[in-house]
Parts: sequence; structure tokens; C-alpha cells
Amino acid sequence: DVKVTQSSRYLVKRTGEKVFLECVQDMDHENMFWYRQDPGLGLRLIYFSYDVKMKEKGDIPEGYSVSREKKERFSLILESASTNQTSMYLCASSLHTSGKGDTQYFGPGTRLTVL
Amino acid sequence: AQKVTQAQTEISVVEKEDVTLDCVYETRDTTYYLFWYKQPPSGELVFLIRRNSFDEQNEISGRYSWNFQKSTSSFNFTITASQVVDSAVYFCALSEDLNSGGSNYKLTFGKGTLLTVNP
Repeated sequence: DVKVTQSSRYLVKRTGEKVFLECVQDMDHENMFWYRQDPGLGLRLIYFSYDVKMKEKGDIPEGYSVSREKKERFSLILESASTNQTSMYLCASSLHTSGKGDTQYFGPGTRLTVL
Repeated sequence: AQKVTQAQTEISVVEKEDVTLDCVYETRDTTYYLFWYKQPPSGELVFLIRRNSFDEQNEISGRYSWNFQKSTSSFNFTITASQVVDSAVYFCALSEDLNSGGSNYKLTFGKGTLLTVNP
């Protein structure tokens, strides 16, 4: 079974803090993704990575950065957290086989509250 | 740009009823993939099915079935004899190339349908 884990299920931070969300997958997947999920907006792609040290912007990268130093780990960084970044953050990974046919597997999510 | 529409925001049924979740998509790609995911209250998205654009056969897996109709750009999901454990948010998603080389892609998700199955 594919296992994607996220460092925290719930996180509370203050405005202006630097926040790290960690994601680890144990299936040697090349591709990793970060989404945020908000009521009425569905899932939106923040950043993704197709290889170690490689990153690409998604639909809403502003206010975020990422790091992928090892294949199994993909970190999402909020440089200076703001209240509008209060959301559910979901990490996903996929094995690179057919490209857009690759199935993404998701972690349990981190519910971040910024006060 | 691609688009996925799940017109039903919320559906409420009584256990053992059949229920169909609608998904309509828009794409200019000739080759594409469609997915369904389930998100129970615990929060984790669980993969249910993947379908490519060349395979229009309907699929059945236990109480779940999927009806893919290219002519109407729809990929609907039916749960037969629903159970309380089916209560969740269900997402339909469409894959999209991000560049002409086809090496990068992304999933476009619908906004989801909240299904509540009452005992």
C-alpha cells in the first residue's frame, strides 16, 4: 500500500511565523504535490515536484515555497504566515509511468490555523 | 483551461437507496484521464478509479459503478444500496498537460459533492 504521511494533523500558528509542513512518502515516487483545500473552492495546486531539487509552481504559489532535498520528502514553507493561509493542506505523490495518467495518492492532510 | 463541474453540492439519502454523483468536464486534449476520489470525515483523499479517454466501457466494483460518456463529457458515479460508511465528500478530477511536451501535468478537481447517507 502507498503510504503518504504528513507531519501534523492540526497546527496553530501566529501571523508572521515561518511554518514548515512536511510530507513523506514510502513508495519511491518521483512526483510529489502540495494542494490546499478550502470550502467552496475544492483543491488547488500550490507547488509540485517531479524530481529531487526540482520544483514547479502550481495555480496558487504566492506566499509559499517548497523544498525537495530527498526523493521521499517534500516540504511546504509559509515564509510569513497570514490569516488567509488558514486552510487544509494536502500532500500527494505519484509514480511516474504514463504522465497524466499517473494516479496521485494523498496524505491525511494538515489543518492549519493562522491566528 | 480545463474545467470539472460537480453540480450537486450536497446530496442526502437514506440507507439502501441508490445515488448517482454527476461529473461533467471540459478539455481540449484528445487524450486525458478522469479520476474519482472519496474524502471521508477523517480528511484523507482515497483513490477510487481512473479512466482514460479511450476506454468508454462502464466499470463496476462491488456497489460502485461508473458511467463514462464522451459524447456528453460526463463521468458519473453511482453507489448502489448506499450505506452510512459511504458518507463522504466525493471529488471528480481531470488530468491536464502543463506543457506541450507532456512531461508535466496537473489534476483539475471539481468542487466536490457531499454525500450524507442516513440510517
